[in-house]
Amino acid sequence: GAVVSQHPSRVICKSGTSVKIECRSLDFQATTMFWYRQFPKKSLMLMATSNEGSKATYEQGVEKDKFLINHASLTLSTLTVTSAHPEDSSFYICSARGPPNEQFFGPGTRLTVL
Amino acid sequence: GQNIDQPTEMTATEGAIVQINCTYQTSGFNGLFWYQQHAGEAPTFLSYNVLDGLEEKGRFSSFLSRSKGYSYLLLKELQMKDSASYLCAGWDPNDYKLSFGAGTTVTVRA
Repeated sequence: GAVVSQHPSRVICKSGTSVKIECRSLDFQATTMFWYRQFPKKSLMLMATSNEGSKATYEQGVEKDKFLINHASLTLSTLTVTSAHPEDSSFYICSARGPPNEQFFGPGTRLTVL
Repeated sequence: GQNIDQPTEMTATEGAIVQINCTYQTSGFNGLFWYQQHAGEAPTFLSYNVLDGLEEKGRFSSFLSRSKGYSYLLLKELQMKDSASYLCAGWDPNDYKLSFGAGTTVTVRA
């Protein structure tokens, strides 16, 4: 099956700093990627839909100025958590829509904000 | 959007069978997915049903009834490594978003 990578897999940062997470589709082109966050023992919550060449579509309640998404190419989307605070600590997972109609998930990024 | 319900937890014995039910209410429908997620890892794809009926893949089978808004994932010959969270997800054709249920944590005991 198709492969999606995420980098970094784990990041620890100080409160107030910004963190960038990369999501790459390795062997297919993805015009659409999705960003999710997941708290412990909870399900995945969709944050935003990232579209190549256009602005991301954010879900209700997700601050677009806080979570900046850039889909610069058909294989790369980035999520930047700006001015991170401890409550932003979570597991962030991206997925990419590939053929025929399946979503392939990245391995996730565990963010810890101190 | 979609409203997806599944039980929170299930426990079963090694070698047994467990059935995880999922009901959905949706404004649009283009298939029902099942994912397995181990703690601290991303979900991995198990099955995709778009037509009614049972699809079997080794020890795992998935069933869909579109008229009833119902699906189940059947895990046979349970192994300890099957202890994980199982996520039911529906695909809305209007916006191509996956809506996830809260997940069912399956614990397999010796």
